[in-house]
Amino acid sequence: GEDVEQSLFLSVREGDSSVINCTYTDSSSTYLYWYKQEPGAGLQLLTYIFSNMDMKQDQRLTVLLNKKDKHLSLRIADTQTGDSAIYFCAKTTNQAGTALIFGKGTTLSVSS
Amino acid sequence: DADVTQTPRNRITKTGKRIMLECSQTKGHDRMYWYRQDPGLGLRLIYYSFDVKDINKGEISDGYSVSRQAQAKFSLSLESAIPNQTALYFCATSDSTTGPFHSYEQYFGPGTRLTVT
Repeated sequence: GEDVEQSLFLSVREGDSSVINCTYTDSSSTYLYWYKQEPGAGLQLLTYIFSNMDMKQDQRLTVLLNKKDKHLSLRIADTQTGDSAIYFCAKTTNQAGTALIFGKGTTLSVSS
Repeated sequence: DADVTQTPRNRITKTGKRIMLECSQTKGHDRMYWYRQDPGLGLRLIYYSFDVKDINKGEISDGYSVSRQAQAKFSLSLESAIPNQTALYFCATSDSTTGPFHSYEQYFGPGTRLTVT
């Protein structure tokens, strides 16, 4: 079945760039998303990219998509302590229409 | 006011009890979803509904049932709760609008933390 994989932990220093990586198994046209979950809160959409795009930039966030390798990354420039959270990679499923399949989440820890 | 609300926010129940988690939305979306989150496992889809008369099983529907009482309300029931259903449960909604610039973004509620003892 479809799968989304991401590393579980990333630790960076304040002011550095963070890069969170994600791979997926299905190559059909799809939307790919990055969601952020702060402690005790629900999920908030950070950004998304359609599979016919290579890159999308939104302020401090840059999403890169390598469709050949089925690899998605989220780069956060000038990482701040407020960026500490769990980041989920997700994609639309084939079987469930616009329902999402999620990676296990990457916990980003930012130290000052 | 929050666009997607979930009640209760926290619940402790005993094995074998029936429990209902409720979700309401004011976004006017026709699509609603229930996910559960377990530490280290991400979110997994339990059930989804694309309109009031449409109910579909997700990846992990066993032990759960749902009811779409109205466009704005989607409830999740555990008929006989068991300890491995202890998890954080999220409701989400999305718009069915299609088109080249539509993101199909899902909007999540704050979650219900359920503990089954």
